[in-house]
Amino acid sequence: KAGVTQTPRYLIKTRGQQVTLSCSPISGHRSVSWYQQTPGQGLQFLFEYFSETQRNKGNFPGRFSGRQFSNSRSEMNVSTLELGDSALYLCASSKEGGWLETQYFGPGTRLLVL
Amino acid sequence: KQEVTQIPAALSVPEGENLVLNCSFTDSAIYNLQWFRQDPGKGLTSLLLIQSSQREQTSGRLNASLDKSSGRSTLYIAASQPGDSATYLCAALYNQGGKLIFGQGTELSVKP
Repeated sequence: KAGVTQTPRYLIKTRGQQVTLSCSPISGHRSVSWYQQTPGQGLQFLFEYFSETQRNKGNFPGRFSGRQFSNSRSEMNVSTLELGDSALYLCASSKEGGWLETQYFGPGTRLLVL
Repeated sequence: KQEVTQIPAALSVPEGENLVLNCSFTDSAIYNLQWFRQDPGKGLTSLLLIQSSQREQTSGRLNASLDKSSGRSTLYIAASQPGDSATYLCAALYNQGGKLIFGQGTELSVKP
C-alpha cells in the first residue's frame, strides 16, 4: 500500500508570492491534516479536512488555506508569503480522523521563502 | 491551554543501554497519545499509539506507558542501537479531527 505522498518536496519562493502544496493520502483514507514544522515553534496544526470539508482549524492567519477534493487529495495554499513561513510542511492521513486511529505522515514539503 | 512537554531535549547514550524518554501533558482529557520518530529532514513515522483507556503499548523493543492522572507518558527503548538515533516526538489528541498537540521532541543519539 502506497504511503502518503507530498509534492513538491522542495520549494523556493520570494516574499509576497503565493504557493500551493499537494498531499495524496493513503488509499481509503478520508481525513487529511496539515502541520507546519519550524525549529522555533516545533510542529503546529494548521487544519484538517474530511470528506471535502474543513473540520478543524489551528491558530494560523487567513493567508493559510486549504481544500480537499472528492478523491481525498488535499492542497494547502499560502498567500503573500513571509520569511517566517519558511518551514517543513507535513500532511498526515487517517481513515476518518478518529481518536482510535494512527495518523500516517508524508515526507513533507520544505519551503524556503527569500 | 493544552500543552505537551518533552524532557530532555537531547540525550546521548552508548549502544546497548536501556533508556526512557519522557512526555508530559497539561490536560488529562486526552483521547490518545502517540509516539513518533523523525529522522533528519524527513517526515514522521508512527511508533505507538496509546488510547486513553490503556496503560501501555508494546512494539518490539519499544514500550510506551500512559498515566492520565499524572499527565505523563514514557517511551522505553530496550537495548538501544545506533539505528535508533533520531528525534522522538510525543503528541496528544484532544478531540477528533486530527489535531495533534506535539511536544518539542527529544533528540536521541546512540553511540556505537
